[in-house]
Amino acid sequence: GENVEQHPSTLSVQEGDSAVIKCTYSDSASNYFPWYKQELGKRPQLIIDIRSNVGEKKDQRIAVTLNKTAKHFSLHITETQPEDSAVYFCAASNFNKFYFGSGTKLNVKP
Amino acid sequence: DAGVIQSPRHEVTEMGQEVTLRCKPISGHNSLFWYRQTMMRGLELLIYFNNNVPIDDSGMPEDRFSAKMPNASFSTLKIQPSEPRDSAVYFCASSERGGRDWSNQPQHFGDGTRLSIL
Repeated sequence: GENVEQHPSTLSVQEGDSAVIKCTYSDSASNYFPWYKQELGKRPQLIIDIRSNVGEKKDQRIAVTLNKTAKHFSLHITETQPEDSAVYFCAASNFNKFYFGSGTKLNVKP
Repeated sequence: DAGVIQSPRHEVTEMGQEVTLRCKPISGHNSLFWYRQTMMRGLELLIYFNNNVPIDDSGMPEDRFSAKMPNASFSTLKIQPSEPRDSAVYFCASSERGGRDWSNQPQHFGDGTRLSIL
């Protein structure tokens, strides 16, 4: 089955700096890679996703890159703000089944 | 759209009792997923349904857990008998199924049920 590893487990940045979270996956059949943000006590919410036929996708301050050959994908947040503080989960998916990473707790210091 | 609706939001009960968690998926979504989230194990997929049929229940921890989806707008996850180690947040999610090649679609999560077994 698929194995998704996510790093780092915690990340602390100063407001305005960039944050990068990295994930690797094992199953080359995985073809969809969503990222979720979960605030304390809330539900995971989709923030961006990318499919295997695309190398990069951007939405305002958030971007995701995918390297299929190396089987890794990354989330990039620029100009971080305190409200970006949350736990971020990556996932790899094939046949509609999601395999989640262990999460990264991002703390943006004002 | 009301989103995925779960009930109850919180449940506290004594071990040995039966627990039933409920989920209403987003209208028009034909895939439904049950997840369990704990600090130790993160987000684990328990079971998922497509068009009300269970497709993969390999994540169901043991026979004490069962799930049903009697129609397109309702699903239950039942634990009987419950044990303290079942304490967790249980999330339901739904998605559209993308075509005959099972192309993946975003999953939309409910607010979860925080379950505490004493």
